[in-house]
Amino acid sequence: SQQGEEDPQALSIQEGENATMNCSYKTSINNLQWYRQNSGRGLVHLILIRSNEREKHSGRLRVTLDTSKKSSSLLITASRAADTASYFCATDDSGGNKLVFGAGTILRVKS
Amino acid sequence: GAVVSQHPSRVICKSGTSVKIECRSLDFQATTMFWYRQFPKQSLMLMATSNEGSKATYEQGVEKDKFLINHASLTLSTLTVTSAHPEDSSFYICSAFIQGAYEQYFGPGTRLTVT
Repeated sequence: SQQGEEDPQALSIQEGENATMNCSYKTSINNLQWYRQNSGRGLVHLILIRSNEREKHSGRLRVTLDTSKKSSSLLITASRAADTASYFCATDDSGGNKLVFGAGTILRVKS
Repeated sequence: GAVVSQHPSRVICKSGTSVKIECRSLDFQATTMFWYRQFPKQSLMLMATSNEGSKATYEQGVEKDKFLINHASLTLSTLTVTSAHPEDSSFYICSAFIQGAYEQYFGPGTRLTVT
């Protein structure tokens, strides 16, 4: 079942601007992951943050996790047109192997 | 990174026929694979967990007799949509899980259109 809520549902920005997407979840987690999906394609893993971590960086990506608020954010800095895609957060289902995906944010970066 | 393939990438079939979708892990062995369905502009919904050598575990609301899953080897899982209807038209995505890792590796998806 879907447990993640993401906002905004859609985001349109100019190239070079930063994009911030938020995700909230309902149950306890061991880790939270962010995935990217280009239109009509499979998902690509971007970054994983463990429940005992508060912030993580990978290139132009910055992820935060607030377990007290059960929320996470993904920041993409200096966006590029190629960043245009859907972005999903996913949490482990009670520590198991299954992933529960958020509703996703559709990001459009205009050049 | 680990590569997962799906075949076919697109399929159009007539209502009442069955369609088989293959999911293969190309460069690793996957004891567990997952099947998801995604409707336009929506998120992924887990349908079932496919375990090599045992029966699949289906999510609530997913008909196991309609969506047959077979995981006969460590590199191949198949999803058969039986007696397909137009409402089964969707994007079906599989993923494979490497034991000990957290991330899942996704196939490119299969677009099923039932006419």
